[in-house]
Amino acid sequence: SQQGEEDPQALSIQEGENATMNCSYKTSINNLQWYRQNSGRGLVHLILIRSNEREKHSGRLRVTLDTSKKSSSLLITASRAADTASYFCATELRGTSGSRLTFGEGTQLTVNP
Amino acid sequence: EAGVAQSPRYKIIEKRQSVAFWCNPISGHATLYWYQQILGQGPKLLIQFQNNGVVDDSQLPKDRFSAERLKGVDSTLKIQPAKLEDSAVYLCASSPDSGLAGGFTYEQYFGPGTRLTVT
Repeated sequence: SQQGEEDPQALSIQEGENATMNCSYKTSINNLQWYRQNSGRGLVHLILIRSNEREKHSGRLRVTLDTSKKSSSLLITASRAADTASYFCATELRGTSGSRLTFGEGTQLTVNP
Repeated sequence: EAGVAQSPRYKIIEKRQSVAFWCNPISGHATLYWYQQILGQGPKLLIQFQNNGVVDDSQLPKDRFSAERLKGVDSTLKIQPAKLEDSAVYLCASSPDSGLAGGFTYEQYFGPGTRLTVT
């Protein structure tokens, strides 16, 4: 079963508005990453937040991590039509053979011009 | 730098046929991953290589799927025989390292994927 679950499954907003996507997970993690996938394309890494970090910024992106609640959120401010894509959280578990990313089901974001 | 290359981009086969996908990772990347992404779902790891050795193939259906990375560079993933439920996008990704030795985590760089349709 998937480790991470995104909420909502789909989000439709107007250009200029902010978009917030949430991710919940079940087990303790080493870090959490967010990826974007445009239709018919591969995934693109957006941001990585480590388990000892609470908040991280990158341009118009803001990610928070609450390990006590096992949840993370991705905020995209001042959204643009080009932000239309699927967004996935991926939790990293590190074992003896290295690290593995487990992806959630994704949030489909549509930004209307 | 050149990204992760995959071919073919699209493939349509009938059930019980065999198919192979090819991936060339970013130059110098030690770790290579194959993922299966079914429509509407997130990617699921099938197999992970560190150089030419398998690190994790626990989710690979070994009765029909096989993968190799003989020289520690490019890789092929094969399905034989294919089933209808194998219809998906097969994504290849690479990273500088798996994080095992140094404890660091690296982002993964994804190729465009191969869309497989099994009829």
